[in-house]
Formats: sequence, structure tokens, C-alpha cells
Amino acid sequence: NAGVTQTPKFQVLKTGQSMTLQCAQDMNHNSMYWYRQDPGMGLRLIYYSASEGTTDKGEVPNGYNVSRLNKREFSLRLESAAPSQTSVYFCASSVGGLTEAFFGQGTRLTVV
Amino acid sequence: GIQVEQSPPDLILQEGANSTLRCNFSDSVNNLQWFHQNPWGQLINLFYIPSGTKQNGRLSATTVATERYSLLYISSSQTTDSGVYFCAAPPAGGYQKVTFGIGTKLQVIP
Repeated sequence: NAGVTQTPKFQVLKTGQSMTLQCAQDMNHNSMYWYRQDPGMGLRLIYYSASEGTTDKGEVPNGYNVSRLNKREFSLRLESAAPSQTSVYFCASSVGGLTEAFFGQGTRLTVV
Repeated sequence: GIQVEQSPPDLILQEGANSTLRCNFSDSVNNLQWFHQNPWGQLINLFYIPSGTKQNGRLSATTVATERYSLLYISSSQTTDSGVYFCAAPPAGGYQKVTFGIGTKLQVIP
């Protein structure tokens, strides 16, 4: 049972480049989330998807887009990367919005 | 939105010592989770504890929802306990908008 799987684990981008972070879960969870973690700031919610076919903004959505491709997969896209988006990105999933969340291993993104 | 405050921000323990980490939240919550982020960055679920007390080996947690706080107890600490401990909670009615504290950084020295 893999849980929540994120790809890639590491990525370096140049300013202005685009990329998509992939996330898949095999726990049949309804809800999925994207967070970013910056030093001294804990984890902040970027976007979430309550269920297949729905997405909504979190605390820090600017500069990102998401797609809930199906029940298993939730991707995060940076259309034009900026140095301020250098961070560690975590995907998570849960059965529902108020239930226990499980996290992927993270993607360390550097924008130069 | 809800505010989640953790204390202490940093903690250094001698191996074998006990400790208590605290999480205060500014509003009513429907659930609360404790996580351990190990030195490799992995987030590990410790407890899902909306209220009451749970124990798992050397770790236990208590949430007093009416008083808006949760405590994480670590007994007989080991060097593998090092890392950052986060609590996280959504506000009551704030479906899925989970807020994390900034964490307690724990270092256990031999």
C-alpha cells in the first residue's frame, strides 16, 4: 500500500518555466490537498479538492493551478515559476474534510 | 481564520528525558492532528485526536476541545524522536481549511 505518492522528489526550474507536480493516492480518499512548507511558517494550504470534480482555493493560491484528474490524482501546476515559489510541496489526502490526513513524501522545488 | 500556536518553539532534551509539547487554537475545532516531521522531511501521522486522550507507545496526546488546547507527551525520549512536531486543525465549520502551527523543533541528544 503506497499511500500518497508525489513526483518528482526534487526539481530545479528557471524563472518563467512551467511544471506540474503530480500526486496520486491509493486509499480511495475523497479529499486531496496541496500544501507548501517554508522555513518558520509551517505548512500552508494552496488548493484542495473536496471530491472528484471540485477544487477550491486555500490560503496561498496565487501563481498555482490545480486539476483533480480523477479520484486518485490531484496535480499542481506552476505556469510561470518565480523564485518566491521555491519551497517544499506536500500533497495530502483524507477520507473527508474533517478526517485524518495522510501526506506524501514532499517535492523540493527550487526556482532560480 | 483559526490561529494555531505551538510551544515551545525549540526544545533540547537529554536522551531518556520526558517532555510536553503544547498546541493552543483560537477557535472551536472538529479535529486535531499531531505530526512528526523527521530530519529527512517526511511527515508522519502521530495522532488524530479531536478530544480525549490517546496513547501509542512512548507517545500520548490529550485534547481538551472546550479549553482549546492539545498536549503531546513524549516519555523516555530517544534520538529518533528528533525533528519538528506539528499540530494541525480546521476550524469548526471550516471544512478542509486546515491550519498548521509553525511547529516545535525537538533535538534529543545522547
